[in-house]
Amino acid sequence: AQSVAQPEDQVKVAEGNPLTVKCTYSVSGNPYLFWYVQYPNRGLQFLLKYITGDNLVKGSYGFEAEFNKSQTSFHLKKPSALVSDSALYFCAVRPADRGSTLGRLYFGRGTQLTVWP
Amino acid sequence: DAGVIQSPRHEVTEMGQEVTLRCKPISGHNSLFWYRQTMMRGLELLIYFNNNVPIDDSGMPEDRFSAKMPNASFSTLKIQPSEPRDSAVYFCSSDPFTDTQYFGPGTRLTVL
Repeated sequence: AQSVAQPEDQVKVAEGNPLTVKCTYSVSGNPYLFWYVQYPNRGLQFLLKYITGDNLVKGSYGFEAEFNKSQTSFHLKKPSALVSDSALYFCAVRPADRGSTLGRLYFGRGTQLTVWP
Repeated sequence: DAGVIQSPRHEVTEMGQEVTLRCKPISGHNSLFWYRQTMMRGLELLIYFNNNVPIDDSGMPEDRFSAKMPNASFSTLKIQPSEPRDSAVYFCSSDPFTDTQYFGPGTRLTVL
């Protein structure tokens, strides 16, 4: 079965400090991994994805994520947080083989990131 | 492109009434997904379609919920009869078969 765990419901950091939002996953076969962000009263927006290749993936707004196969993790990071980064962040996974799921994503419960000035 | 369009943006109704939520996916996208988001349960996948065909509706809570996709540019999610526990934000997303889903702005449903 496919699943995603985001162990922290909330992450709080000061502006200018680095941030990390954690994600671990379970998937049959090789994973495709994603991060989405949701601002208040909005739909989810795509941030970045790992398909194959370099384990460090760079995405929108200065975010990056590191794929670690041995630890089955895909943590989201940013070197210097901004107040405007405050939002709800979702990690998602799907098997590389689309198979019968035809692209369905399995989302975590989300992590609320708060960046204070 | 206007993105995924959902209507209405807000819906307030009374228990027992029928509710219909609408979604227009981005043109050319093959897959369409309906989600529900609540504080208690987070983001739940209700049903998804590929080329207008329902693939998996195992997330639909019960028989009161139904979804259709009569053509590539339109889908509906219907709740009949509605109950207060159906209050949530309902999202529609579409995917052009590139592994990136594009979400609509959502419909906030309140059932009194």
